[in-house]
Amino acid sequence: SQTIHQWPATLVQPVGSPLSLECTVEGTSNPNLYWYRQAAGRGLQLLFYSIGIDQISSEVPQNLSASRPQDRQFILSSKKLLLSDSGFYLCAWTTYGTAYSGNTIYFGEGSWLTVV
Amino acid sequence: AQKITQTQPGMFVQEKEAVTLDCTYDTSDPSYGLFWYKQPSSGEMIFLIYQGSYDQQNATEGRYSLNFQKARKSANLVISASQLGDSAMYFCAMRESGYNFNKFYFGSGTKLNVKP
Repeated sequence: SQTIHQWPATLVQPVGSPLSLECTVEGTSNPNLYWYRQAAGRGLQLLFYSIGIDQISSEVPQNLSASRPQDRQFILSSKKLLLSDSGFYLCAWTTYGTAYSGNTIYFGEGSWLTVV
Repeated sequence: AQKITQTQPGMFVQEKEAVTLDCTYDTSDPSYGLFWYKQPSSGEMIFLIYQGSYDQQNATEGRYSLNFQKARKSANLVISASQLGDSAMYFCAMRESGYNFNKFYFGSGTKLNVKP
């Protein structure tokens, strides 16, 4: 069966420090991968998605970046964190398929980031 | 324009009663999928139910059913016989076909509180 792992689960980082969140998927090949951010009590904002190695699409211009060095690995990074980067970050994956095929999106456990 | 609109930031329901969570969507694609997810306070995202745009019947999964009104572009979630464990944030989502078929759009969510 497929599983998704995301770490670290929580972190507190000072303003201006770098960030690296990592996500791996097991049990599937060539997944679509996503990074979402959820501010406290708010909806999910799509940050990046990837349909393959080194193929990254950015949804929101900001000081975050994403990389996909391997098929099932997705990394969210920042060189210098801002206070506004605080939030709950979710990695997710889905299989390739038509929009009406019912292929749902599966989420990792999430990472709580507090920038102080 | 918002792809997914959830107009109820918060809802209360008495235990054992039914509740309807509203969701409207905006798309010009004839082929799309609609999803509902539950997010407890722990932060994990749990897939609940799916409805394809070509499905003739409303989807049902246990106590969850999706009231799909295509002409109105609404996909309301109905939870029957509410339980205390249903207290959570609920998100409606859509996956389009065509150029955007890799994206899942989420609404802002509805926080459901089940009262004993």
